[in-house]
Amino acid sequence: DAGVIQSPRHEVTEMGQEVTLRCKPISGHNSLFWYRQTMMRGLELLIYFNNNVPIDDSGMPEDRFSAKMPNASFSTLKIQPSEPRDSAVYFCASNIGLNTEAFFGQGTRLTVV
Amino acid sequence: GDSVTQMEGPVTLSEEACLTINCTYTATGYPSLFWYVQYPGEGLQLLLKATKADDKGSNKGFEATYRKETTSFHLEKGSVQVSDSAVYFCALNNNNDMRFGAGTRLTVKP
Repeated sequence: DAGVIQSPRHEVTEMGQEVTLRCKPISGHNSLFWYRQTMMRGLELLIYFNNNVPIDDSGMPEDRFSAKMPNASFSTLKIQPSEPRDSAVYFCASNIGLNTEAFFGQGTRLTVV
Repeated sequence: GDSVTQMEGPVTLSEEACLTINCTYTATGYPSLFWYVQYPGEGLQLLLKATKADDKGSNKGFEATYRKETTSFHLEKGSVQVSDSAVYFCALNNNNDMRFGAGTRLTVKP
């Protein structure tokens, strides 16, 4: 398996624009996590899905952020409208069951100017 | 809620020195515990894990023991190498509520 695949690797956008980050989890994994990493706040869990259903979205910063998982092999994280403070590295991770290790993608570095 | 606290860095060591990075956790129930490593520009990679009390995880010369009585999972290595320079994260997974520590940056000098 190729591991968790995220796209794009880098995204530069202007304030106010819509940004969509994409993730393909490892085949057979039934949970998917979105994290945001910044120097100031470290690694923050934004949302996680189990069997394509959002279970905990308490980490989503505000209504500008939304996440979907239409099927077991694809998820998106959308920011609309984007703001400079959204600049961070966004990671997607997946795992196969409760209490198991999560496997991370390479991340998307988002810069909002 | 559950949480992980790890030793603040940065940590700078000379090659072949001993390493300990402290990690303690707060959780209800019986979480699994992990150490992840992050190299520059990359995602987090699993370094080792332990799923129950007294389990010892080990990989690439690194070790950590799940201590329920002290709620700790300290990372140790007897002789570090320059290639071990990275950021290390302690983490727990408790019914898929996955929490990470703040990370500890390790720099190993030749």
